Amino acid sequence: SQELEQSPQSLIVQEGKNLTINCTSSKTLYGLYWYKQKYGEGLIFLMMLQKGGEEKSHEKITAKLDEKKQQSSLHITASQPSHAGIYLCGAVAGSNYKLTFGKGTLLTVNP
Amino acid sequence: GAVVSQHPSRVICKSGTSVKIECRSLDFQATTMFWYRQFPKQSLMLMATSNEGSKATYEQGVEKDKFLINHASLTLSTLTVTSAHPEDSSFYICSAPKLTPSSYEQYFGPGTRLTVT
Repeated sequence: SQELEQSPQSLIVQEGKNLTINCTSSKTLYGLYWYKQKYGEGLIFLMMLQKGGEEKSHEKITAKLDEKKQQSSLHITASQPSHAGIYLCGAVAGSNYKLTFGKGTLLTVNP
Repeated sequence: GAVVSQHPSRVICKSGTSVKIECRSLDFQATTMFWYRQFPKQSLMLMATSNEGSKATYEQGVEKDKFLINHASLTLSTLTVTSAHPEDSSFYICSAPKLTPSSYEQYFGPGTRLTVT
């Protein structure tokens, strides 16, 4: 089965700093999803990457999928307290679009 | 955009009783829906795949008689926690994939917090 490893597990940064979260797969990724969650709430879709080398941006968040399609990184520029939360990477496994998730990265942004 | 709703958002029940959680896709049809549970400070753990018109598929280690899933229509899946115990207390989230000609996205419900006393 596909396993996703996220790093770091938690991250505390000062407001305005840049940061990167990584997601590494044990198998080739055919669809890699990034979500954000405030604990106890639903997931907010951020981005989906499919092609090797693909890069997408949304506001101050950029996500990349490497050429080999086994690793993705999420980069936040000039972080703000509103960026705080749990970031989850998810990958589609199988033809029924089942998503499995990494363990998540807890981001704290101090003002 | 597509929306998935869950009901109730919070429920408290006594040990031994059963609780039903509903998951609805509001503006699209979903032949498949997924149920996850999440413990504090942990990621989502996939419990089962709900299939419209057929039996649910459970992940390894998930008791199918404990967590009954019924995909009653193309927009509704229900998860019933039977004979609930305190260890079943958790945050339960459903999701539904939506396919378009050019992409696939998965939409998540807002979650249901179950507390078993």
